[in-house]
Amino acid sequence: GQQVMQIPQYQHVQEGEDFTTYCNSSTTLSNIQWYKQRPGGHPVFLIQLVKSGEVKKQKRLTFQFGEAKKNSSLHITATQTTDVGTYFCAGYWLGGAQKLVFGQGTRLTINP
Amino acid sequence: DGGITQSPKYLFRKEGQNVTLSCEQNLNHDAMYWYRQDPGQGLRLIYYSQIVNDFQKGDIAEGYSVSREKKESFPLTVTSAQKNPTAFYLCASKANREGLQPQHFGDGTRLSIL
Repeated sequence: GQQVMQIPQYQHVQEGEDFTTYCNSSTTLSNIQWYKQRPGGHPVFLIQLVKSGEVKKQKRLTFQFGEAKKNSSLHITATQTTDVGTYFCAGYWLGGAQKLVFGQGTRLTINP
Repeated sequence: DGGITQSPKYLFRKEGQNVTLSCEQNLNHDAMYWYRQDPGQGLRLIYYSQIVNDFQKGDIAEGYSVSREKKESFPLTVTSAQKNPTAFYLCASKANREGLQPQHFGDGTRLSIL
């Protein structure tokens, strides 16, 4: 079936190191959204990418959407302890039902 | 403040009991969703509703039921048929059924078996 795979499942870094999580879909997506869930909290929307090859930045976070609109990545430069949490990608299928399909998430922990 | 309110925050279910989780939104959003999250896992869609008096099954609807009698309310009942209900339940809403807008989440309800 249609899936959104996200890797790695876990990532532990030293504060100040970079972090990247990758998202791959089995079919073309209409868009990709990224959410962050702090420990014990609920997912919070970070950003949406819609165009093929789109790149967006939010301070130390860089989001990319692949040319084929099947993959995406989130890169954090020089991590800080406030970046701790689980990062989810999610997308709507192109031509599919209006259901947002989530990746499994990447849990980021940071050693201060 | 506009937002989504889920209650209760914690809920305990006895064997053979049905329990209902509340979700209310004052964002005037058309679409509402229920997700289940297990420890260390992603979000799995239980049910969704894109308009009042209409709802569709998600990927794991068995053992759950919903209603959407009012735009602002989308309660989820976890029935006794759901044999493994222990999880974190998240309710979300989206402005309209067709758009690619982000989803807004409530704070969640943690359900456990007694």
